[in-house]
Amino acid sequence: QVQLADSGGGLVKPGGSLRLSCAASGFTFSDYYMSWIRQAPGKGLEWVSYISSSGSTIYYADSVKGRFTISRDNAQNSLYLQMNSLRAEDTAVYYCARLNGAFDYWGQGTLVTVSS
Amino acid sequence: EIVLTQSPGTLSLSPGERATLSCRASQSVSSSYLAWYQQKPGQAPRLLIYGASNRATGIPDRFSDSGSGSDFTLTISRLEPEDFAVYYCQQYGSSPRTFGQGTKVEIK
Repeated sequence: QVQLADSGGGLVKPGGSLRLSCAASGFTFSDYYMSWIRQAPGKGLEWVSYISSSGSTIYYADSVKGRFTISRDNAQNSLYLQMNSLRAEDTAVYYCARLNGAFDYWGQGTLVTVSS
Repeated sequence: EIVLTQSPGTLSLSPGERATLSCRASQSVSSSYLAWYQQKPGQAPRLLIYGASNRATGIPDRFSDSGSGSDFTLTISRLEPEDFAVYYCQQYGSSPRTFGQGTKVEIK
């Protein structure tokens, strides 16, 4: 069965960096676009970024452009999100999701807290 | 950017009742690119319906959607106890992919 396991969240100071990972299993990872979506505490869902199956096409939300970098390793069935210059407003649960038109499978989420 | 506005913010209903949730887009969205998700407290969202009334794997047929253009509706024909949750619509016809702010279906 399809499984996505997010990890890498934690507490970081404003201006700091963090790298999130998502380990995929149960499907041919290299066939699918993948995405990161976040949810601030008590708020709704915000799409952050997506990457094509080969990694050649990448899009970012304006709110993270220039600060976040999405990448993938198809040999390791893994998706990553490098987050730099973190701000308080980046505090959220970050979910990786498989992109199949809609987001058809989601990880359990990893909490990122940006606070001094 | 397409803005999705969901209404009502909260729907208070009893088990067995019918739930009707609305999603209005600021621009026309092809019904083929509109999805609905369910999220329970402490859990990741789960895909319910995508691409013009296709239910995701394992989703019961009491969930259905309708609509076109800029007005869409998710209907839960008879609420079961496990259906009380927050529901989000999402469009994936244009970038950035956007979500509505959610409708909470709570037990009356």
